[in-house]
This record gives sequence, C-alpha cells and structure tokens, in this order.
Amino acid sequence: EVQLVESGGGLVQPGGSLRLSCAASGFTFSSYSMNWVRLAPGKGLEWVSYISTGSTVILYADSVKGRFTISRDNAKDSLYLQMHSLRAEDTAVYYCVRDQHYSLDYWGQGTLVTVSS
Amino acid sequence: DIVMIQTPLSSPVTLGQPASIFCRSSQSLVHGDGNTYLSWLQQRPGQPPRLLIYKISDRFSGVPDRFSGSGAGTDFTLKISRVEAEDVGVYYCMQAAQFPWTFGQGTKVEIE
Repeated sequence: EVQLVESGGGLVQPGGSLRLSCAASGFTFSSYSMNWVRLAPGKGLEWVSYISTGSTVILYADSVKGRFTISRDNAKDSLYLQMHSLRAEDTAVYYCVRDQHYSLDYWGQGTLVTVSS
Repeated sequence: DIVMIQTPLSSPVTLGQPASIFCRSSQSLVHGDGNTYLSWLQQRPGQPPRLLIYKISDRFSGVPDRFSGSGAGTDFTLKISRVEAEDVGVYYCMQAAQFPWTFGQGTKVEIE
C-alpha cells in the first residue's frame, strides 16, 4: 500500500524557517517524481514544487521561488521542503504528492504550516 | 501560466441524480508528447485530495464507474452518473501540460 506521511509543520513567526519531511513507503520511491502541493484556508489547491527521480529537474511556483528548496533522499525514501522567509500567505496544509507521469496519484494526509506572530 | 476555470463553483445535487462539472483552460492542454494531461481530483471533508480521472478520461484505480471524464483541447467535463452521499466534497480540475501545474478554483458538491 502506497503511504506518504508528512511531518514538520507547526506555528512559525513571519520571516522564520521550517523544514517539512515526507516519508514514503509501499512503492519504489526512487522511480517516481514527487511534488509538494498546498491548500491555504479558504483557497484552492496550489502546486508548490516538483523534483524528478534523480533530482536533476527541480521546479518551483513563482510564489515560493528563492525561499523554498525541495530535495529528496532516495536511500531514505524521503522528500523534503525547506522553507525560509515565511510569510502569512504561506499558511496552508502542505501535501506530499507522488507524480505518476503528470498525474498526482497518491497524496499524504498533509501537515499544517501556520505563519503568524 | 495556464488558468483553469471551473463552473459551477457550487452544485447542489439530488441523491441518485446526475451531476456535471465543467473546466475550461486558457490554452490547449495538449502536451508535446501528444497526451492531454487534464486530471480531476476529489477532496472529501477532512480528507486529502484523491485522484479520480487522469488524461481526460482514464479512471484511476478503485474509482467507481459512475465517475467519467470527457473533453478535448480546452474544454473538459467531469460527470457523476448517479450522485451518492459519499460524493460530497470539492472537486478540482488540474492541468499538467506545462509548469506551473495549475488547478481550477474547485466546485463544491453538496446534497440538496
């Protein structure tokens, strides 16, 4: 069974940093591209970042470019999102999502990030 | 960026009756490889999103056959043939033809 379990969310002050992790199991993690997608309160889904199987292709939404860094460790079946210079508008549930050739087929339960003073 | 517009934004439906959600993209979703990467996702209350349909009309594993997708180019439709109580939630279309991948605003389906 495919499982994606996010962790690392929490309350952080504006300008602060946070690192999200996603532990994958039930499939060959190294064979799949991965994504982070977020859902802000009262808003719709927003794609945040993409990383290819070997980390050779990395892409970001303009809203997070220069502040967020996606990475993965295929030996540990793990995906990460390092977030810096956090803003109130980054408040959202962050989902770790598997990419099955341009479709987001499995989603984690999400981890809540709240940016507030 | 490709803009995805869904209609309606809210859809009160009667149990056992059909329901349709429409999605229009601001440009063609045909990828360079010839495929059209338009997906539909469902988010039930308190749950993460779940893939229903990919590449316009392919049903994902475990998705009931009352869900179907259709369309081409820039206009797409998700149809529920007979709405059941468990279908309550928000439905999103999503394009993966080009980065940044973008979603529609979401359509809330509720039982009237």
